[in-house]
Amino acid sequence: EIVLTQSPATLSLSPGERATLSCGAGQSVTSNYLAWYQQKPGLAPRLLIYDASSRATGIPDRFSGSGSGTDFTLTISRLEPEDFAVYYCQQYGSSPRTFGQGTKVEIK
Amino acid sequence: EVQVVESGGGLVQPGRSLRLSCAVSGFTFDDYAMHWVRQAPGKGLEWVSGISWNSGSIAYADSVKGRFTISRDNAKNSLYLQMSSLRAEDTALYFCAKDMAYDLLSGGQDVWGQGTTVTVSS
Repeated sequence: EIVLTQSPATLSLSPGERATLSCGAGQSVTSNYLAWYQQKPGLAPRLLIYDASSRATGIPDRFSGSGSGTDFTLTISRLEPEDFAVYYCQQYGSSPRTFGQGTKVEIK
Repeated sequence: EVQVVESGGGLVQPGRSLRLSCAVSGFTFDDYAMHWVRQAPGKGLEWVSGISWNSGSIAYADSVKGRFTISRDNAKNSLYLQMSSLRAEDTALYFCAKDMAYDLLSGGQDVWGQGTTVTVSS
């Protein structure tokens, strides 16, 4: 299975700052089939990005995804108060699907 | 309105069985693959199982293979997860999630339920 490693584990930033989250794959992700999800406490995950760089319906354009092969990035251009949450990457090009361990974006 | 609602969770003893259900509405169920994803208390997300639109492709995480069985009834707009030989490590919030695609290898999960809690304990 493809192991996804997210870094950093925790990112401490202030509203208005730029957030850069990384997701590294143990082997190349087929067709760059990689998604990013946001999860807030007590809630279900929310799809932000699919196919590495496509924004899901209704997702603000301050969220962007990039990367290919084994290295992927989620960027939040200017953090809003509602963006402080845990973010997960997931690959769905190979079975079994796998998630990264998550990056917590917390208020500094 | 698109809705995904899980049910069937509860407290169960180790070694016993439990069946989860997921009822969907607001989209054409048999156009999409579906998945179960779980989250142990305080932990990250773990994909459990997925099933293609016509049940032709099914996949499981190694941690549940041989113990869990996923199925769907397109006539009833419902997804199921039959869990047997349950272990303490299966304790988690189980989410039902819709795929963006009809098969298992090309779509993210764009609609999620709120989850149903399974607790395995004596």
